[in-house]
Amino acid sequence: SYVLTQPPSVSEAPGKTARITCGGNNIGSKSVHWYQQRPGQAPVLVIFSDSDRPSGIPDRFSGSNSGNTATLTISRVDAGDEADYFCQVWDSSSDHVVFGGGTKLTVL
Amino acid sequence: QLQLQESGPGLVKTSETLSLSCAVSGGSISSSSYYWGWIRQSPGKGLEWIGSIYYSGKTYYRSSLKSRVTISIDTSKNYFSLKLRSVIAADTAVYYCASLRGSFRVVDYWGQGTLVTVSS
Repeated sequence: SYVLTQPPSVSEAPGKTARITCGGNNIGSKSVHWYQQRPGQAPVLVIFSDSDRPSGIPDRFSGSNSGNTATLTISRVDAGDEADYFCQVWDSSSDHVVFGGGTKLTVL
Repeated sequence: QLQLQESGPGLVKTSETLSLSCAVSGGSISSSSYYWGWIRQSPGKGLEWIGSIYYSGKTYYRSSLKSRVTISIDTSKNYFSLKLRSVIAADTAVYYCASLRGSFRVVDYWGQGTLVTVSS
């Protein structure tokens, strides 16, 4: 089955740029979505189809996808961005929705 | 804007069947644009897709749970349901119902989640 690999944690100082990676075999050929989950809350979609933002999501959030790595980039991070972030794809070969293990973003 | 709301028991005994429903409002569950799914999250863990259903009734299940899971849909009442049989403690989790849009299954709307505890 298809596997998505994320670093367990990423830390960045306020005002800097945080990058969260999602690795998978030839993930560049898939459409990657990203979710933000704050403690005690349901996940929220922040990026879909590699790099599109839903309405209401700040343009500080962006995404890219190529080769074996997709990346969620959050510019000018602040305390409000502290959360868990999950990547997700649809694996058509197995008809499975696949999530990465999640990355906890800490704003120092 | 779609809204989804889970309902069902918060406590299920070991070896029994976990049953949850998800009421959909703000749109039709018969929309050809959406699949309807269940996703769970064990305490302190990541997200795990359980399965999905299309309005036609076609289902997709996680391989590791396929023998225990049934997802059904009631288009007349705009809701869908989850049954997980022979539950064990490891099935304790927050269960989310969600809408999955399009061929790439973007989860754009989530229910608030409901904690189900499995205990003897």
